[in-house]
Amino acid sequence: EDQVTQSPEALRLQEGESSSLNCSYTVSGLRGLFWYRQDPGKGPEFLFTLYSAGEEKEKERLKATLTKKESFLHITAPKPEDSATYLCAVQPSGTYKYIFGTGTRLKVLA
Amino acid sequence: ETGVTQTPRHLVMGMTNKKSLKCEQHLGHNAMYWYKQSAKKPLELMFVYSLEERVENNSVPSRFSPECPNSSHLFLHLHTLQPEDSALYLCASSQGRGKITEAFFGQGTRLTVV
Repeated sequence: EDQVTQSPEALRLQEGESSSLNCSYTVSGLRGLFWYRQDPGKGPEFLFTLYSAGEEKEKERLKATLTKKESFLHITAPKPEDSATYLCAVQPSGTYKYIFGTGTRLKVLA
Repeated sequence: ETGVTQTPRHLVMGMTNKKSLKCEQHLGHNAMYWYKQSAKKPLELMFVYSLEERVENNSVPSRFSPECPNSSHLFLHLHTLQPEDSALYLCASSQGRGKITEAFFGQGTRLTVV
C-alpha cells in the first residue's frame, strides 16, 4: 500500500536553530515527491518537486533532498515567518493521485 | 485572477440543506481534485477529474457529488451532510499526465455542519 509518514509531528525551534523534517514513503513506483507549506486556514503552497534519488532543491532557507525511501526538508537558520505546517506528498507512477502525510507543525520562536 | 480559486471561503449549513462548493483554475491544467482536510489527519483524496477519466475514493459517501463541466471548473454538491463532514475542503489542479507534475491548491472552503 502506498504510504507517507512524516516526523516529527511538531517541532519548536529557536530563531537561527537549524533542523530537518523527515518524510518516509513507500510507493509502487514514484512519479514525484512534493513538499508544501500550509499556513492555518489556508491551502497548501507548493515548495518543491523531487523526482529521483540524489536530487536536491533549494529555496531561500529551505533545502529538500530525496533518497529511495525518504526525503528531508532542511531548514537553515529559520525565522519566525517560517512557522507553518510542512506537508509531504508522493504521486505513484501511472496515477493522478497525490498521497499526503499528516505534516510537521513547525514553530520558530524569536 | 490567477491560480486556483475556491468559493465560498466559509460555509455553515444545516444537515438538511443543499449547497455547492465551486472551484475554478486559471492555470490551463487538465486535472482537478477535491481533497478533505480534517484535524490530525492527512489530506484525503475525494475525487479526481482528468481529460481521460474520473477517479473517486470509494469511501466517500454519496452525500458528496462532484461535477466537472469543463477542464477549468469543478463543483462539489453537498446534501444531507453530517456533523463529521465539517472540515476544510480543498480544490487542486495539475497538468495531469504532463511533464510538470505538482498540484496547486486553492485557499479552501471551511465547512461547518450544524
